[in-house]
Amino acid sequence: GAGVSQSPSNKVTEKGKDVELRCDPISGHTALYWYRQSLGQGLEFLIYFQGNSAPDKSGLPSDRFSAERTGGSVSTLTIQRTQQEDSAVYLCASSDRARETQYFGPGTRLLVL
Amino acid sequence: KNQVEQSPQSLIILEGKNCTLQCNYTVSPFSNLRWYKQDTGRGPVSLTIMTFSENTKSNGRYTATLDADTKQSSLHITASQLSDSASYICVVGSGAGSYQLTFGKGTKLSVIP
Repeated sequence: GAGVSQSPSNKVTEKGKDVELRCDPISGHTALYWYRQSLGQGLEFLIYFQGNSAPDKSGLPSDRFSAERTGGSVSTLTIQRTQQEDSAVYLCASSDRARETQYFGPGTRLLVL
Repeated sequence: KNQVEQSPQSLIILEGKNCTLQCNYTVSPFSNLRWYKQDTGRGPVSLTIMTFSENTKSNGRYTATLDADTKQSSLHITASQLSDSASYICVVGSGAGSYQLTFGKGTKLSVIP
């Protein structure tokens, strides 16, 4: 079956521009996660969605970052007024339940010039 | 602060040889420990998940161990193959909502012919 997909695979943008990153989780998975992976660093938790519950936004680094999940499926991570330090790989994962295996997408490589 | 430390940072081994990767963690409360394999340019893929009561789990040529008393885990790879070349990431889940994961920076393994 189809895995987690993300788009775009690569994004180059100018400092100050807004970007939207998309994640399509595995069908039926109720939990969805966004992570950021900077060069040479471990994955950094950003936000977690579980069903219709309020998302856990505790990992978002600033108010320039926001995410939504429409209809309990597709999620969009938005970064406003991008900065060079936002350059990283943004990974999305989904799981059947919070304690289960997380299946990762291929990531979106964001470069802010 | 929850931390996951992995060693070595990188490793080169000959095809067919065995190797062991180490993970030490200071995560509390502990919920589970996971090992992921991440190929270059791809998202991480789960290898094993262990809870507090499990001290070993195998997945093919991969065997993970967990010592919850010393807060150490290892991933042993038997009869390495060229396709094992990847980063191996140790991840520890904490709290009642064990989606709260702390990621190590990974060990970069290169298997050469």
